[in-house]
Amino acid sequence: KNQVEQSPQSLIILEGKNCTLQCNYTVSPFSNLRWYKQDTGRGPVSLTIMTFSENTKSNGRYTATLDADTKQSSLHITASQLSDSASYICVVSAMGNYQLIWGAGTKLIIKP
Amino acid sequence: GAVVSQHPSRVICKSGTSVKIECRSLDFQATTMFWYRQFPKQSLMLMATSNEGSKATYEQGVEKDKFLINHASLTLSTLTVTSAHPEDSSFYICSASPRGSWYGYTFGSGTRLTVV
Repeated sequence: KNQVEQSPQSLIILEGKNCTLQCNYTVSPFSNLRWYKQDTGRGPVSLTIMTFSENTKSNGRYTATLDADTKQSSLHITASQLSDSASYICVVSAMGNYQLIWGAGTKLIIKP
Repeated sequence: GAVVSQHPSRVICKSGTSVKIECRSLDFQATTMFWYRQFPKQSLMLMATSNEGSKATYEQGVEKDKFLINHASLTLSTLTVTSAHPEDSSFYICSASPRGSWYGYTFGSGTRLTVV
C-alpha cells in the first residue's frame, strides 16, 4: 500500500535554531517527492520537488534530501524564523498516474 | 511562476443552499485541475479531478451529485456544493499545473466553507 509517514508530528524550536523533518514512504513506482509548506487557513506552497536521481535540493533556507534506496527524505530548515511556523507536508507521486500520496504533516512552531 | 487563484476565500451559507467555488489558473492553461477537502488537523484529501471539456472523475466516497464540478475552459474550474449541510463545512482547495509540468503542483489559497 502506498503510504507516506512523517515525523515528528509536531515540533517547537526557538527562533534562529535549525531543525530537520523526516519523511518515509512506500510509494512504488516512485516518480517524485515534494515538500510543501502550509500556513493555517491557506493552500500549500511548494518548497521543493525531487525526482529519483536527485539527492538534494535547496530553496533558500530550506534544504531537502532524498535517499531513493531507503525511501527516506528530510527537510532541513536553517536559522529558523517566526514566519516558518506552519505545517510541512511531504507528498509523493507514483509514476504513471496523477495521484499524490500525502503525509500527515509536521506542525512546526517557532518561538521567539 | 504559475499562479492559481481561488474565490471566495471564505463563505458562510445556510443549510440547504448551494455554494460555488471558483478556481482559476491565471497565467497558464490547465487541462486538469484537482479539488481537495481538508478537515481540521488533517491532511488534504483528493475529492475529484476536473478535466476541461469532459466529466470530472470523483474519488471513492465523494458524491458527484452533491459536489458538482464544471471545467468549461482551460483556465476555470468550479466546484458547487449543493444542498449544503453543516458536515460539509471544511477547507476546500484546488490545484493545477501548466502543461508539461508536474501534476497538481500549484495550489490555490483555499476556501473556508461554513454551513450554519
